Amino acid sequence: NAGVTQTPKFQVLKTGQSMTLQCAQDMNHEYMSWYRQDPGMGLRLIHYSVGAGITDQGEVPNGYNVSRSTTEDFPLRLLSAAPSQTSVYFCASSYSWSTRGTDTQYFGPGTRLTVL
Amino acid sequence: AQSVTQLGSHVSVSEGALVLLRCNYSSSVPPYLFWYVQYPNQGLQLLLKYTTGATLVKGINGFEAEFKKSETSFHLTKPSAHMSDAAEYFCAANTGFQKLVFGTGTRLLVSP
Repeated sequence: NAGVTQTPKFQVLKTGQSMTLQCAQDMNHEYMSWYRQDPGMGLRLIHYSVGAGITDQGEVPNGYNVSRSTTEDFPLRLLSAAPSQTSVYFCASSYSWSTRGTDTQYFGPGTRLTVL
Repeated sequence: AQSVTQLGSHVSVSEGALVLLRCNYSSSVPPYLFWYVQYPNQGLQLLLKYTTGATLVKGINGFEAEFKKSETSFHLTKPSAHMSDAAEYFCAANTGFQKLVFGTGTRLLVSP
């Protein structure tokens, strides 16, 4: 199993540009999520999905869109990038959302995004 | 709302010394607690987790943590530090349905 994969590893955008960060998992996990990591702030939840066709907002959803058409993929879209979105983005997945939070979440290697 | 506090953004130890990384959570209902490790330029990897049962939890690489409800703490320890333990460590809490709340992280520095 490849686990959780993310592309690209690095990206530089100009303010106002759009892009999609890709995330895929091959473990048939029900739950997938996106976090951003900023210095001194830990990881903060952006959006999450409990299954294909079902998504919801996390702590910091503004400026980001998600959709989940398949179990495997959970892309994160930046419609109009801003310098405040400069961060490292991590995708994570776990087997089930309904086990009251005891499942281990598996993280991808991250995407380092810079918005100029 | 659930929050997680990690005391000390940086902790320095000598190789062979005890490692102690502190984590406190705020909640009237004990959450499920996790410790993750992040090596440079990598994703997060689970070290250990507490869900129910035994309050002393053993994880990978010789780490362990003890859940203390009375102190709302879940500190991470390792008896003898190794150079390869140098990394950033995150404590996280999950009050249900997989939504994790992370602490701000502690960077462990190990000197020879």
